[in-house]
Amino acid sequence: AQSVTQLDSQVPVFEEAPVELRCNYSSSVSVYLFWYVQYPNQGLQLLLKYLSGSTLVKGINGFEAEFNKSQTSFHLRKPSVHISDTAEYFCAVMGYGYSSASKIIFGSGTRLSIRP
Amino acid sequence: EPEVTQTPSHQVTQMGQEVILRCVPISNHLYFYWYRQILGQKVEFLVSFYNNEISEKSEIFDDQFSVERPDGSNFTLKIRSTKLEDSAMYFCASSEVRNNEQFFGPGTRLTVL
Repeated sequence: AQSVTQLDSQVPVFEEAPVELRCNYSSSVSVYLFWYVQYPNQGLQLLLKYLSGSTLVKGINGFEAEFNKSQTSFHLRKPSVHISDTAEYFCAVMGYGYSSASKIIFGSGTRLSIRP
Repeated sequence: EPEVTQTPSHQVTQMGQEVILRCVPISNHLYFYWYRQILGQKVEFLVSFYNNEISEKSEIFDDQFSVERPDGSNFTLKIRSTKLEDSAMYFCASSEVRNNEQFFGPGTRLTVL
């Protein structure tokens, strides 16, 4: 089974400041990792994903995340945030192995609020 | 760019009524999923579907729920007798292969009165 922990339920940041949203996971099998963004009253949009290869993955809107297997973390970062980044961010994992269709397990979300 | 679509965007129903939420997955995808998000909470897995049968379901997916792929394009979630606690946003997703990115639809907001 897999689980995801997002330690920060809310992160307030000033515009143009850097931000890091933390995510830790646990799993008994190998995993794929994802970050999704949900803007107010909208659906889920994939920001970035780690499937294999380089542990530093770049996504849309200037976001990036680093997979750290030893620390079981997948923190999301952006060097300079904008007002438009105000949204809920969900870290998610998918265990891969023997099942014929793999479910995604989501964290509880981090609400990023940008202050001008 | 192909996308997952869902209808309706918002459904209001009375407690005890049956509802059917509809999804059109991306055309060449073979794996289908339903998730739900109760207001203010995280997204939860409900069920996965492949080769015309349920692959996995969560404890939330009890006998009140069923899924179906009635034709080559639609994927539906039926709730037989809705309860107040079924009020949530329901997301459909699909993927081309297993163990890969799932593409999510915009969601259907279900309100049970």
